[in-house]
Amino acid sequence: GIQVEQSPPDLILQEGANSTLRCNFSDSVNNLQWFHQNPWGQLINLFYIPSGTKQNGRLSATTVATERYSLLYISSSQTTDSGVYFCAVGSLLTGGGNKLTFGTGTQLKVEL
Amino acid sequence: EPEVTQTPSHQVTQMGQEVILRCVPISNHLYFYWYRQILGQKVEFLVSFYNNEISEKSEIFDDQFSVERPDGSNFTLKIRSTKLEDSAMYFCASIGRQGDTQYFGPGTRLTVL
Repeated sequence: GIQVEQSPPDLILQEGANSTLRCNFSDSVNNLQWFHQNPWGQLINLFYIPSGTKQNGRLSATTVATERYSLLYISSSQTTDSGVYFCAVGSLLTGGGNKLTFGTGTQLKVEL
Repeated sequence: EPEVTQTPSHQVTQMGQEVILRCVPISNHLYFYWYRQILGQKVEFLVSFYNNEISEKSEIFDDQFSVERPDGSNFTLKIRSTKLEDSAMYFCASIGRQGDTQYFGPGTRLTVL
C-alpha cells in the first residue's frame, strides 16, 4: 500500500517562530488532507489540498503532486498550535469512495 | 456548518463484552468510514461503506467487527467480543463524493478492561 512519511517527528518552537512540516508519499493520490489533533484527541481539518497552494490565516500548505510531497507552513506560532499534525493521503477504492492513509505525525510543542 | 457526530464520547467495557459505537454522518454524504487510533500511534483505516455495503476493509477489521447503517442517518461499528488491544480512539468519517474532503467526527475513546 501507499507509504506516507512525515518529518520532523518532533519539533519544539519558541512562540512567534515559523516552521515547515513535510509529508512525502509513495504513489499518486487523489486527495491530501492536513489535520491538527488537539489535546482532546479530535482531528481538526486544516486543509484539503491534493495539489497547489492554500492559505488560512497563519497556516498555509503546498502540495506538489508530481513530486509526491506536501508542506505545511506555520507562521508566528502560538502555544495553541501545539499538538500533533497529521498528513493523510487518499487513494480510490474499487468499491467506491477513497480511504485515507495517515502519516505518523509531527508532534509540535510551542513554548513561551 | 454540518458536522459528523459520534456517541458516546467515552466507553469503558469489560473484555469479552460487545460494544456498539454510533455515528451520524453529514446528511447528504454517501461514503462512510471508520478509523482507529491506538494511543500514541497513527490513525489507521478500518472499513469503508458505500451503497449499503462494505467497499473495503483492512486486515484489522476481522470477524469481530461489523458495520451497519440501520436507518437513513446512523452508521454503527460493532465489536462483538472486545479484547484489551481494541482499546483505542475510534473515528467516523464521511464524504459526499469520491476524492472530496473527509470530515471526521470527534471520536469515541474505547477502554477495554
